[in-house]
Amino acid sequence: AQSVTQLGSHVSVSEGALVLLRCNYSSSVPPYLFWYVQYPNQGLQLLLKYTTGATLVKGINGFEAEFKKSETSFHLTKPSAHMSDAAEYFCAVSESGTGGFKTIFGAGTRLFVKA
Amino acid sequence: NAGVTQTPKFRILKIGQSMTLQCAQDMNHNYMYWYRQDPGMGLKLIYYSVGAGITDKGEVPNGYNVSRSTTEDFPLRLELAAPSQTSVYFCASTEGRETQYFGPGTRLLVL
Repeated sequence: AQSVTQLGSHVSVSEGALVLLRCNYSSSVPPYLFWYVQYPNQGLQLLLKYTTGATLVKGINGFEAEFKKSETSFHLTKPSAHMSDAAEYFCAVSESGTGGFKTIFGAGTRLFVKA
Repeated sequence: NAGVTQTPKFRILKIGQSMTLQCAQDMNHNYMYWYRQDPGMGLKLIYYSVGAGITDKGEVPNGYNVSRSTTEDFPLRLELAAPSQTSVYFCASTEGRETQYFGPGTRLLVL
C-alpha cells in the first residue's frame, strides 16, 4: 500500500523567507503526486500535481515542487512567503487498486507566516 | 458549474440519532469520495464510489453507509450517531487519478 509522510506538523516562517514543506511517499508503481492547500473553514484545493514528464512542477501562487524518484520525495517550495500563504498544506499520492483509484493524504503541515 | 456541493454546512446531533449528509457534483465525474477530517489527523477515507451502483469501503467505514444511485449524488448516512463521529466531513469527486475537487465541508457535532 502507498503512504505519505509529511515532516513537521507546523512550520513557521517570516514574511519574505523561503517556504519548504517536506513530503515523502512510498509507492510500488509510478506515482501521481499532489499538493493541496486548505484555508480556514474551506475544502481543499489543488496547488500543483505531478503525473509524468518534467519533474519540476509549478503551481498556483508561486509554489513549485520537485519529484525526486531516488529520494521518494515531493517537497513543496516557495521563494518568498506572503501572509496570505498561511494555511494547511497536504501532500497526497494517487493509488490504484482492485476497487479503482484512491488518494492517500498526508497528515498535513500548517504554515504560519510571521510579519 | 457549481462543482461539488454539500449540505448541511453544520449540524448538531444527539447520540443515537441518524442523519444523511448530502453531496452532489455537476462535473460528470465517475469517482466520488467521502472523507472525515479530525484536528491534526489529515483526511481519512470513509467510503468511495467508482460509478453509479458501485461503492467500496475506505479506511474508516464503521458507523457509516453510502449509496450511489446516480452519477451526480453520493449521500453519506450515519445511522446511530456517536461522539466519535464529531468531525468535519468532506466530499470530493474526480476522474481516475486526476485532481480531486472538494466540497466546502459539513461540520458535525455529536453530543
